[in-house]
Amino acid sequence: KNQVEQSPQSLIILEGKNCTLQCNYTVSPFSNLRWYKQDTGRGPVSLTIMTFSENTKSNGRYTATLDADTKQSSLHITASQLSDSASYICVVRRDKLVFGAGTILRVKS
Amino acid sequence: NAGVTQTPKFQVLKTGQSMTLQCAQDMNHEYMSWYRQDPGMGLRLIHYSVGAGITDQGEVPNGYNVSRSTTEDFPLRLLSAAPSQTSVYFCATTPGTGEHEQYFGPGTRLTVT
Repeated sequence: KNQVEQSPQSLIILEGKNCTLQCNYTVSPFSNLRWYKQDTGRGPVSLTIMTFSENTKSNGRYTATLDADTKQSSLHITASQLSDSASYICVVRRDKLVFGAGTILRVKS
Repeated sequence: NAGVTQTPKFQVLKTGQSMTLQCAQDMNHEYMSWYRQDPGMGLRLIHYSVGAGITDQGEVPNGYNVSRSTTEDFPLRLLSAAPSQTSVYFCATTPGTGEHEQYFGPGTRLTVT
């Protein structure tokens, strides 16, 4: 069983709309949780890194939340743009990085 | 400042052939890693290095070799390619563990027929 589960697998939204991506993990204990953006044909790029004691962290229109009690994280994208179309990957760090399979987001006009 | 570079971008091999995937970084990071990415799965760690001359196995090391003779370079060698090694390979670097960011290269798409 994957220790980092992401939902939904894929999502299509209209430009300008908000969306929220979910990440549930069983990795324990952990030192930090990360969200990456991966454009098609490119390597992942870091969006946020949160320690277990942080509840929220923002990076422009991206806001990540973390509930260490329920082992859940979410990534909220505000006022989506076409350039937000990508795969979003949740990663939990224990001694090594444990990667989720990602959520594929498509923003259409 | 190129960051992390990988060559080649694409490669097709026949079963049994060998090849080396190149990774170079100009950020003077001690930690370097190789991952593979397969459809529907998270990235999986193949091998990693915590500094020149030091390498260790990750989650899926079978069929791959690495060496680290310099801080800048971390090549990944496929000794005898198999169709199961068809994947996208990413090299990554980080200045340290903990809350340090990982910086990924652009990837190499490998197909083994």
